[in-house]
Amino acid sequence: EDKVVQSPLSLVVHEGDTVTLNCSYEVTNFRSLLWYKQEKKAPTFLFMLTSSGIEKKSGRLSSILDKKELFSILNITATQTGDSAIYLCAVRPSGSRLTFGEGTQLTVNP
Amino acid sequence: NAGVTQTPKFQVLKTGQSMTLQCAQDMNHEYMSWYRQDPGMGLRLIHYSVGAGITDQGEVPNGYNVSRSTTEDFPLRLLSAAPSQTSVYFCASSYSRQGRENTEAFFGQGTRLTVV
Repeated sequence: EDKVVQSPLSLVVHEGDTVTLNCSYEVTNFRSLLWYKQEKKAPTFLFMLTSSGIEKKSGRLSSILDKKELFSILNITATQTGDSAIYLCAVRPSGSRLTFGEGTQLTVNP
Repeated sequence: NAGVTQTPKFQVLKTGQSMTLQCAQDMNHEYMSWYRQDPGMGLRLIHYSVGAGITDQGEVPNGYNVSRSTTEDFPLRLLSAAPSQTSVYFCASSYSRQGRENTEAFFGQGTRLTVV
């Protein structure tokens, strides 16, 4: 059975802090790993990772994948209150399916 | 493009009632999926489709039916609603790219369903 585990499940920080969110996985077949941000409604796409060691970056957010150790991290630097959200990690074992972790609830206080 | 459109946004059902959650996408994506989201459990796959006329079960298919008669539409049917089906339901679509990994999944805005 495919499994994705995220940690921590919740995190409270102050504006300006740097956070690291973790995602480990066990899947029978791996094609890609995706990170999403979810505020009140639908998840919005952040990154898709397919190769080990190649950092994806967008502004203050960055992510990297380690296919040997089966994990990924999502870093957010200089956090802002607008970063408060649930961050979801998902692994795609086949073209049409995603297996999600439980999510990390990030709260950034002013 | 409207993207992925789900209707209704909110619904209250009585136990035993049936209903259909609608999902439509206008991006000509071949892959479509239904997920449910419960507190502390992330998103769990209910059913998915790799193209018109082809559907398959996901992680939690019991109590739900789907069909895919067109590329655009992927309705989810609750046969006899139960309180355990109270959840937020998301429809998603994606497409394949020749020689490259498939795109990310694009999500609808969700349907919040309460079964009393």
